[in-house]
Amino acid sequence: NAGVMQNPRHLVRRRGQEARLRCSPMKGHSHVYWYRQLPEEGLKFMVYLQKENIIDESGMPKERFSAEFPKEGPSILRIQQVVRGDSAAYFCASSPSSAGLRETQYFGPGTRLLVL
Amino acid sequence: DQQVKQNSPSLSVQEGRISILNCDYTNSMFDYFLWYKKYPAEGPTFLISISSIKDKNEDGRFTVFLNKSAKHLSLHIVPSQPGDSAVYFCAILTGTYKYIFGTGTRLKVLA
Repeated sequence: NAGVMQNPRHLVRRRGQEARLRCSPMKGHSHVYWYRQLPEEGLKFMVYLQKENIIDESGMPKERFSAEFPKEGPSILRIQQVVRGDSAAYFCASSPSSAGLRETQYFGPGTRLLVL
Repeated sequence: DQQVKQNSPSLSVQEGRISILNCDYTNSMFDYFLWYKKYPAEGPTFLISISSIKDKNEDGRFTVFLNKSAKHLSLHIVPSQPGDSAVYFCAILTGTYKYIFGTGTRLKVLA
């Protein structure tokens, strides 16, 4: 009965390095969402993916950020050439297949990225 | 421009008393609202939701009230327990999948 899993839980990178954040949705869920939380702020939507498809990436910065959800394996949020402003908590959520019916999103524990 | 506002960053309540957390929104077209609870170092956990066709939804100790004319919703917890100490986020569902979160209210229930 595993929930949404994210790893790593903590990630430290130096400026210019790449960060890869992984998310495994709940069993039976095929919709994945990524959110970012900056200190003292609420969670902000970044991207919505279904298997092998990006449905909505309107909240994701146009440069350096990319996301995928392959047919096999976890969803990956990739940040290239990280900068200090990327330091945040990144949360993944998942929902069942019928996303059009206002399904509740279930969140993982988050990955806390620190850029030195 | 914040579409969802939680104006109280923190709230302290005695154990056994009522906790009232508030949330205001700007767009009268929003029609589905949720509350999430978040403990430190964990992800948000769904608590309760309400659709705009209702003005109240209750689940055990948790009740959400929606005042559409005022564009305001509130979460009541009664009686409050120390384990309720957490950050509470209101969220609004726009369309079918995109949540807009408030900035959160940190609730501390004093034993």
